[in-house]
Amino acid sequence: GENVEQHPSTLSVQEGDSAVIKCTYSDSASNYFPWYKQELGKRPQLIIDIRSNVGEKKDQRIAVTLNKTAKHFSLHITETQPEDSAVYFCAASRVGNQFYFGTGTSLTVIP
Amino acid sequence: GAVVSQHPSRVICKSGTSVKIECRSLDFQATTMFWYRQFPKQSLMLMATSNEGSKATYEQGVEKDKFLINHASLTLSTLTVTSAHPEDSSFYICSARPPHNEKLFFGSGTQLSVL
Repeated sequence: GENVEQHPSTLSVQEGDSAVIKCTYSDSASNYFPWYKQELGKRPQLIIDIRSNVGEKKDQRIAVTLNKTAKHFSLHITETQPEDSAVYFCAASRVGNQFYFGTGTSLTVIP
Repeated sequence: GAVVSQHPSRVICKSGTSVKIECRSLDFQATTMFWYRQFPKQSLMLMATSNEGSKATYEQGVEKDKFLINHASLTLSTLTVTSAHPEDSSFYICSARPPHNEKLFFGSGTQLSVL
């Protein structure tokens, strides 16, 4: 089965700085890679996703890059704000199949 | 985006009782729903895949007689924690994927506390 690893487990940045979270996956057949943001006690919210036929996708301050050859993908948050503080999860899946989640990154943005 | 509703949001029960959690897809039909368990500051652990009209598929190590899943309609899946014990205390969350859509949407989660 698929194995998704995520680093770092915790990340602290100063407000306004950038944050980068990285994930690797093992199954070369995985073709969909979403990122979720989860606040304490709340449901995970999809913040950005990327398909395997795309190398990069950006949505305002958030971007995701994918390297299919190396089987890794990264979340980039620029100009971080205190409200970006949360736990972020990456995931990998084949369309129609189950999702495999990373172990999560607790991001703290220091005002 | 699609809406997945989950109830109740919080349950406190005595040890030995059973608890039922409902997961509904409000604006789409879901032939498959997923049930996850999440411990504090940990990732989402897939417990089982709920299939409409057939038996659920359980992940290794998850007791199917302990965690009963029923997916009786295209919009409703239920998870029943039978004879709950304190070690079953956790955050349980369901999710579903609309037809022809790769995105996965989550319910709001249920915090179960067994005394």
